[in-house]
Amino acid sequence: NAGVTQTPKFQVLKTGQSMTLQCAQDMNHNSMYWYRQDPGMGLRLIYYSASEGTTDKGEVPNGYNVSRLNKREFSLRLESAAPSQTSVYFCASSGNIATNEKLFFGSGTQLSVL
Amino acid sequence: ELKVEQNPLFLSMQEGKNYTIYCNYSTTSDRLYWYRQDPGKSLESLFVLLSNGAVKQEGRLMASLDTKARLSTLHITAAVHDLSATYFCAASQASNSGYALNFGKGTSLLVTP
Repeated sequence: NAGVTQTPKFQVLKTGQSMTLQCAQDMNHNSMYWYRQDPGMGLRLIYYSASEGTTDKGEVPNGYNVSRLNKREFSLRLESAAPSQTSVYFCASSGNIATNEKLFFGSGTQLSVL
Repeated sequence: ELKVEQNPLFLSMQEGKNYTIYCNYSTTSDRLYWYRQDPGKSLESLFVLLSNGAVKQEGRLMASLDTKARLSTLHITAAVHDLSATYFCAASQASNSGYALNFGKGTSLLVTP
């Protein structure tokens, strides 16, 4: 049971470099999410996609872009990485929160920007 | 904007003791979630609370929801070391685009002998 798969697990970038975090789910979920987790800050929502073809900003979208490539995949792109984006990034998916389904989380990507 | 606040943020307790973690949220939310995270790991769902007065129990953990007070509690009974982890509550917020979960900052629980 793969569930939610994130790649890479670890990444080190230099300031100004770009990269894309990949996320795929095999549970046929409609909704997908990107969160970042920083010490003492809990999880903060970056972007989410309620369904294929739609995306919306969360609490901390600045410096990020997303693409809902298809129902399975939801990628997060950093165009010009900054040290403030050093964090652990989690992708999550859900069938439908409106019908009380919970979020399933990936294993996370630890990103360091030097 | 929906704000979710947990307290305490840090909790050290002895094995065998009872304690409660509190979760307040700022605006109307009709469902509340509790998650557990072990160090270096992802988040695992514990409970989904769907209505006022809802109570759910799993082992030594019991969660409840009071939507009128905008308060959820996670009660730990007779703590054991295996319960050491960070616990997050999250409330759902609807928008034109769908639902998202807003998380609290987490409660880091350490259970000691």
